[in-house]
Amino acid sequence: SQQGEEDPQALSIQEGENATMNCSYKTSINNLQWYRQNSGRGLVHLILIRSNEREKHSGRLRVTLDTSKKSSSLLITASRAADTASYFCATVPTGNTPLVFGKGTRLSVIA
Amino acid sequence: DAGITQSPRHKVTETGTPVTLRCHQTENHRYMYWYRQDPGHGLRLIHYSYGVKDTDKGEVSDGYSVSRSKTEDFLLTLESATSSQTSVYFCAISKDTEAFFGQGTRLTVV
Repeated sequence: SQQGEEDPQALSIQEGENATMNCSYKTSINNLQWYRQNSGRGLVHLILIRSNEREKHSGRLRVTLDTSKKSSSLLITASRAADTASYFCATVPTGNTPLVFGKGTRLSVIA
Repeated sequence: DAGITQSPRHKVTETGTPVTLRCHQTENHRYMYWYRQDPGHGLRLIHYSYGVKDTDKGEVSDGYSVSRSKTEDFLLTLESATSSQTSVYFCAISKDTEAFFGQGTRLTVV
């Protein structure tokens, strides 16, 4: 069964607003990763946060991780129309088993 | 695209026929994966490999087999294609942490 579940399933915002997506998972993890997928393309890695980290930044991206709640959030600040895509969280469960993906959040940024 | 090539990119096949999808990498990464992506399900792991001739099953392995005779190639075979295997198939590779994905193969079984 899938490990991660993103929330919301779909999100529509205006350009310039912030977008927040959440991910919950079920088992202990080594790390959690966020990926982006443009329509009809493969996934692209955005950011990785390890289980002993609580927050990480990369450009306009901010990821938090709460291992006690088994949850993570991805914040995209000052959204642009080009951020329109699907975003997936993926976990690496302890034991180094393969990445397990959630079902994704579809983000639409309206210009 | 991190040196990953999937072939073919598109294929239409008939029910009951065998189909092989190929993933080729130029990165010499140890790990290779096959996922399928379907609406409402996200990405689900079919099979993965952690080295030449070392493979293991994923969440949705029934009806699929794989082979990895060389580091750079990971083949996914549908022995007898069914309509439920209509999907977009993604190959991914990784060295240790982040994964790099191919462009996908859209397979339609009619």
